[in-house]
Amino acid sequence: NAGVMQNPRHLVRRRGQEARLRCSPMKGHSHVYWYRQLPEEGLKFMVYLQKENIIDESGMPKERFSAEFPKEGPSILRIQQVVRGDSAAYFCASSPIGGEQFFGPGTRLTVL
Amino acid sequence: GIQVEQSPPDLILQEGANSTLRCNFSDSVNNLQWFHQNPWGQLINLFYIPSGTKQNGRLSATTVATERYSLLYISSSQTTDSGVYFCAGVSGGSYIPTFGRGTSLIVHP
Repeated sequence: NAGVMQNPRHLVRRRGQEARLRCSPMKGHSHVYWYRQLPEEGLKFMVYLQKENIIDESGMPKERFSAEFPKEGPSILRIQQVVRGDSAAYFCASSPIGGEQFFGPGTRLTVL
Repeated sequence: GIQVEQSPPDLILQEGANSTLRCNFSDSVNNLQWFHQNPWGQLINLFYIPSGTKQNGRLSATTVATERYSLLYISSSQTTDSGVYFCAGVSGGSYIPTFGRGTSLIVHP
C-alpha cells in the first residue's frame, strides 16, 4: 500500500529556469495539498486541489506559481522563472475529503 | 484563519525522560493532527485527534476541543524521538490546516 509519492526528491535549478514538482496521492485519496517549508520554519499552505479542480489557492504566490491535478496522472506544482527565494522544501499531502493528511517525502528545491 | 501556538519552542532531554508538548488554538477545531519531522525531513503522522485521548506506544495525545488545546506526551524518550513536532488544526467550515511553528526536541543519550 504505497504512500504519497513525490519526485524528484532533489531539484537544482538556475535562476530563471522552470521547476516542476510531482505528487501522486495515496490510493483512494482524492485531495491533494501543497506546502512550502523554509529552513527552521513550519509548513505554509500553498494550494488545495481535487481532481481537475483547484479548491483553494489562497497560499500560492500570485505570479510564477501554478498547480494542477489532472484527471489522470500526478498533481504538479510548477514554478516559472525561479529565484533564489524559491529555494525550500515543498511537501505534498493527500487525504480523503476532510480527513487525515499523509505527507510525501518532499522535494528539496535549490536555486543557484 | 486560526492561530496555532506551540510550546515550548525548544526542548532538550536526557534519554529516559518524559515530556509534554502543547498546542493552543485561537478558535475551535474540528480536525487536529500531530506530526514528527525527523532529522531527515520526513513528516510522520503521530495522531489524528480532533478530541479525546489516544495512545500509541510511548506516545499519547489529548485534545480538549472546548478549551482549544492539545497535548502530546512522550514517555521514556529515546534519541530517535529527536526532531521537530508539529501540530496542525482545521477550524470549522475549512479544509485547510494551519500548522504551528513546531517544538524542536533533542534527546541526548
